[in-house]
Amino acid sequence: AQSVTQLGSHVSVSEGALVLLRCNYSSSVPPYLFWYVQYPNQGLQLLLKYTSAATLVKGINGFEAEFKKSETSFHLTKPSAHMSDAAEYFCAVSGSGGSYIPTFGRGTSLIVHP
Amino acid sequence: DAGVIQSPRHEVTEMGQEVTLRCKPISGHNSLFWYRQTMMRGLELLIYFNNNVPIDDSGMPEDRFSAKMPNASFSTLKIQPSEPRDSAVYFCASSLQRGGGDTQYFGPGTRLTVL
Repeated sequence: AQSVTQLGSHVSVSEGALVLLRCNYSSSVPPYLFWYVQYPNQGLQLLLKYTSAATLVKGINGFEAEFKKSETSFHLTKPSAHMSDAAEYFCAVSGSGGSYIPTFGRGTSLIVHP
Repeated sequence: DAGVIQSPRHEVTEMGQEVTLRCKPISGHNSLFWYRQTMMRGLELLIYFNNNVPIDDSGMPEDRFSAKMPNASFSTLKIQPSEPRDSAVYFCASSLQRGGGDTQYFGPGTRLTVL
């Protein structure tokens, strides 16, 4: 079984501030982990993913996430928020073999204030 | 690459009517997924296909929902009869599924409103 918990349905930051979106997962097999972003009136698109290579994963638009097995976490960060980062962010987990279909979290809405 | 194509983008219908949503996956992808997104329930997986075969439809809410994939380049999701609680954004996604860690590519979605 696999599941994802995203802490905080809304996160509000000022432009230029650090962005931290939290994701914890559970998986009975070594996980693959994803962050997707959804801009208003659009579908989800991949931001970055962890597939058992480097634990620090860099994605598009200056985002990165670190896989921490001991904490079962995959938090998403960006050093300096931009107004264009305002969107819904989804964390997802999948496993190998029969559990390769991803399970998505409920999403976190990032609000960026000028 | 055109990406995943969905039609229509918006659909407004009356309760009891049949609704058909369409999806064209990315060429070469072997898996196709239908999702429903609402404020209350978030993103729900309804059904997925692998090589045109339905693998898991446990997310389909009830018998009013049906999905088909007659070939590798086309899929439909049908609701008959539609009800107001079916109002949501429906997404189609495709991927080249090779056992894990594969990226899903989402279409722009169909916003369904049932009056």
